[in-house]
Amino acid sequence: NAGVMQNPRHLVRRRGQEARLRCSPMKGHSHVYWYRQLPEEGLKFMVYLQKENIIDESGMPKERFSAEFPKEGPSILRIQQVVRGDSAAYFCASSPRLATFKETQYFGPGTRLLVL
Amino acid sequence: TQLLEQSPQFLSIQEGENLTVYCNSSSVFSSLQWYRQEPGEGPVLLVTVVTGGEVKKLKRLTFQFGDARKDSSLHITAAQTGDTGLYLCAGITTGTASKLTFGTGTRLQVTL
Repeated sequence: NAGVMQNPRHLVRRRGQEARLRCSPMKGHSHVYWYRQLPEEGLKFMVYLQKENIIDESGMPKERFSAEFPKEGPSILRIQQVVRGDSAAYFCASSPRLATFKETQYFGPGTRLLVL
Repeated sequence: TQLLEQSPQFLSIQEGENLTVYCNSSSVFSSLQWYRQEPGEGPVLLVTVVTGGEVKKLKRLTFQFGDARKDSSLHITAAQTGDTGLYLCAGITTGTASKLTFGTGTRLQVTL
């Protein structure tokens, strides 16, 4: 009974490179959420996706960041031309349906991105 | 922008002591959740409180949701070293159920 899986757990990139973060939701979950946690801060919502659809990307930076959740395979958060300020822990969460105020989002272990 | 302020930011206590962590906002939330996050891991849900004034107990942890649904508290009785971690509150508002608004976090360290 695997939980939310994220890989890689740690990712080191040089400025200007691309970072690809993967998230496999829990079995049977079709809703995925991405959050970012900067050092010594709480988590900040980035984007909410269902299979093949971006539902809410109000927390995503307008440039260099994109997310997808294809029909088959994991959800991908892509950061192009990374800068040092992108260094953070990126968490994915999933739920079986839209997370209402009673529904739980289950979090993965996160990907720690370090930009040199 | 909704903000959830937690206090204190850091707390270092000895095993056996009691403590309370506060989560405050000027916004009203449909519900509020408390998570604990350990180093290198994702947040793990501890509790969801939904009704204003609601009190929930989870062994030595007591959670309370304010009457106006703008604030919450977490009280730990007789803390243990295993309680060490980052405690996060997260609010959910009607109509934005897809995105949790997380608090600033309280880092708790319990020593022998």
